[in-house]
Amino acid sequence: NAGVTQTPKFQVLKTGQSMTLQCAQDMNHNSMYWYRQDPGMGLRLIYYSASEGTTDKGEVPNGYNVSRLNKREFSLRLESAAPSQTSVYFCASSIQSGRVFNEQFFGPGTRLTVL
Amino acid sequence: EDKVVQSPLSLVVHEGDTVTLNCSYEVTNFRSLLWYKQEKKAPTFLFMLTSSGIEKKSGRLSSILDKKELFSILNITATQTGDSAVYLCAVGAAGNKLTFGGGTRVLVKP
Repeated sequence: NAGVTQTPKFQVLKTGQSMTLQCAQDMNHNSMYWYRQDPGMGLRLIYYSASEGTTDKGEVPNGYNVSRLNKREFSLRLESAAPSQTSVYFCASSIQSGRVFNEQFFGPGTRLTVL
Repeated sequence: EDKVVQSPLSLVVHEGDTVTLNCSYEVTNFRSLLWYKQEKKAPTFLFMLTSSGIEKKSGRLSSILDKKELFSILNITATQTGDSAVYLCAVGAAGNKLTFGGGTRVLVKP
């Protein structure tokens, strides 16, 4: 099993360009998440998808959109990149079942620089 | 607004030392507290704590939760250079969402 995979690993954009970060998991998890990590700030939740067909905003959703394409895939789109979106982006997945809380498994990350 | 605060921000120790990391939180609808270790890439899961006063152990690492005082500690005994990493505390709330602290950077010198 590959676990959680993300593409690309690195990306450099110019201000105003758009791009989509891809994430896929092969663990049959129903919930998926997108985080960004900036120095000294831990991880902050951008969007999440509790189950296929649903998406919700997290702590820092402005400037981003997401698509839960199917159970395996959850993409993050930057429509018009800004330098403030320079960060490392992590995708994660977990099993969510009623009130039982389960740990999240993380992908290797995408390092994005916006010039 | 949910908040998780970790201390210290960073520390440097020598191999063999014991390290104690702190995590305090203010979260609505608390479900659990998780510890992750992050080296160069993705965070890797260490512990999940849901009940007060019950210590979880894995080798030289242990952790405990105090739900009355709203904090957790992570202990690492007999530290090794491989323990050098950023340790992240996260609190799980409704919707399986995690709120992360800023992390504690640990450097273990030989």
